[in-house]
Amino acid sequence: SYELTQPPSVSVSPGQTARITCSGDALPKEHAYWYQQKPGQAPVVVMYKGSERPSGIPERFSGSSSGTTVTLTISGVQAEDEADYHCKSVDRSGNVVFGGGTKLTVL
Amino acid sequence: QVLLVQSGSELKKPGASVKISCKASGYSFTGYAINWVRQAPGQGLEWMGWINTDTGNPTYAQGFTGRFVFSLDTSVNTAYLQIISLKSEDTAVYFCARFLSVSQILDPWGQGTLVTVSS
Repeated sequence: SYELTQPPSVSVSPGQTARITCSGDALPKEHAYWYQQKPGQAPVVVMYKGSERPSGIPERFSGSSSGTTVTLTISGVQAEDEADYHCKSVDRSGNVVFGGGTKLTVL
Repeated sequence: QVLLVQSGSELKKPGASVKISCKASGYSFTGYAINWVRQAPGQGLEWMGWINTDTGNPTYAQGFTGRFVFSLDTSVNTAYLQIISLKSEDTAVYFCARFLSVSQILDPWGQGTLVTVSS
């Protein structure tokens, strides 16, 4: 079955840049979507179609791709950005697939 | 305001069944598909499938066929997830989410329903 691979954890200090990657054979042709999930809460989309930012999401969030890896970049990380980040895409049959999630820790 | 509100936590014994509700408000219910996502304790998100709220046709992801049933009651703008013959490994938080076809994002999500299966 199709898999999306994310690092389990990323740690950065406040004000630094966090980069969270997601690798999958069908990327970036099949778009990536990024969801932020804080403890005890439902996920919220922070990036869609690779690099599109929904309204209300701060400009410090951006998306990019290189080869079959997509990256969610958070510039000038703030304490409130500490959360789990899940990438999502679809396989060639159109089935939704989530990565394993990455825990972002703000030191 | 677009909202999905799910039913409360459930504690069930192995072999029992559970039915979770997801009530939509603030938009045309039959205009957007509802997806279901599972999150086991301390784990990532797992897509379970979706239901076409216009036709009622469900699509189940691999691993969620047989014991999982998606249904609707459009008269009360509500989607349901029923799990039959519960197992301990079904212990998880279950989320419903609206699918926006243009942007292809899931938004909003329900608050989640914790199902605990324990003897």
